[in-house]
Amino acid sequence: EDQVTQSPEALRLQEGESSSLNCSYTVSGLRGLFWYRQDPGKGPEFLFTLYSAGEEKEKERLKATLTKKESFLHITAPKPEDSATYLCAVPPSGNTPLVFGKGTRLSVIA
Amino acid sequence: EAEVAQSPRYKITEKSQAVAFWCDPISGHATLYWYRQILGQGPELLVQFQDESVVDDSQLPKDRFSAERLKGVDSTLKIQPAELGDSAMYLCASSAGPGTTFFGQGTRLTVV
Repeated sequence: EDQVTQSPEALRLQEGESSSLNCSYTVSGLRGLFWYRQDPGKGPEFLFTLYSAGEEKEKERLKATLTKKESFLHITAPKPEDSATYLCAVPPSGNTPLVFGKGTRLSVIA
Repeated sequence: EAEVAQSPRYKITEKSQAVAFWCDPISGHATLYWYRQILGQGPELLVQFQDESVVDDSQLPKDRFSAERLKGVDSTLKIQPAELGDSAMYLCASSAGPGTTFFGQGTRLTVV
């Protein structure tokens, strides 16, 4: 049973065209939801951790939000350098390792 | 800025040969993870260490994979013998507690 589901699998945007990526999770008693950015051939780069419904965090053109069942990564006026795969992950319980979704591959076209 | 170091970055090996990867976590991070990532998928856990002890290796194919962290600092992941299906990115991550998991740049393994 998938604990983390990301959609869409791939997203193609024009430069400046804002959009959102979705991450839904099924774990109970959420102990943090993590967002990472991964460039081709590189390791995931930490972006945000969200802990409670209603929480929001921002970094440049990215804003992550959290509800009781899902998280959104909003991208405002994206630029080509925002092109990457965005991964979300949760720890199923306690101090357990992160379980990842399959990621959303974002392409921003100039 | 502190980072997780991995080497080599790329490795090509022939089927049935042995291969090893090395990871040096962020200083002070007691927890170390090895993940495997197949192209187009998210990372999947292979093994978790707390200091020098294995906490979770339930997903590690123990007939061919082994991992150690002898002094509770750096770690080695070994595959012997390598199979074609082992081609993937091998990622090391370290953590000082909840909300602090950081990844290295990975080792891209190609088995031919």
